Amino acid sequence: KAGVTQTPRYLIKTRGQQVTLSCSPISGHRSVSWYQQTPGQGLQFLFEYFSETQRNKGNFPGRFSGRQFSNSRSEMNVSTLELGDSALYLCASNLGSQYNTEAFFGQGTRLTVV
Amino acid sequence: AQSVTQLGSHVSVSEGALVLLRCNYSSSVPPYLFWYVQYPNQGLQLLLKYTSAATLVKGINGFEAEFKKSETSFHLTKPSAHMSDAAEYFCAVSGNTPLVFGKGTRLSVIA
Repeated sequence: KAGVTQTPRYLIKTRGQQVTLSCSPISGHRSVSWYQQTPGQGLQFLFEYFSETQRNKGNFPGRFSGRQFSNSRSEMNVSTLELGDSALYLCASNLGSQYNTEAFFGQGTRLTVV
Repeated sequence: AQSVTQLGSHVSVSEGALVLLRCNYSSSVPPYLFWYVQYPNQGLQLLLKYTSAATLVKGINGFEAEFKKSETSFHLTKPSAHMSDAAEYFCAVSGNTPLVFGKGTRLSVIA
């Protein structure tokens, strides 16, 4: 079966712009989580959506937002981009509502802010 | 609150030697523990997980980990390193929240 698909794979944006990243989870998975990965901070949790509702949120500014559609596809948006937003953004999908099951990760979107 | 500490940001072993990557966790609820591996420019792949069944967990590619509640540890081991094991390894904990990751350990394997 198809894995988690993230688009685009690479993105270059200018400071002050906004960006939207997309994630298509594995078919049947209802939970989608987003993580930011940087060399200095490692993997940091952004937010999680389950059945179109934000269920958990990490400690990021309001410039970072997301949503989930009825088909479980998710998007995250970053407004007013800063140089520090340059990172690999990873999406993970999970089958159920519990946290003891495997999270499947996409290959990520590498965002570079110049 | 949950957290993970991985001791050693970089570990180097010879091919055929034992691999030991250390992970200690903190959790206010019974934890679920995971080890993931990341190859360059790739996402994360699950190696193994502990979800309150057997304390010794076997995973893919010959890796295993032992859950020790008294030591709050979940160290990853492999008896004999292969060149293909060179990657970054992440320990993660969850309980009643999504995964919380450690900073990662980069494993180098020397021929």
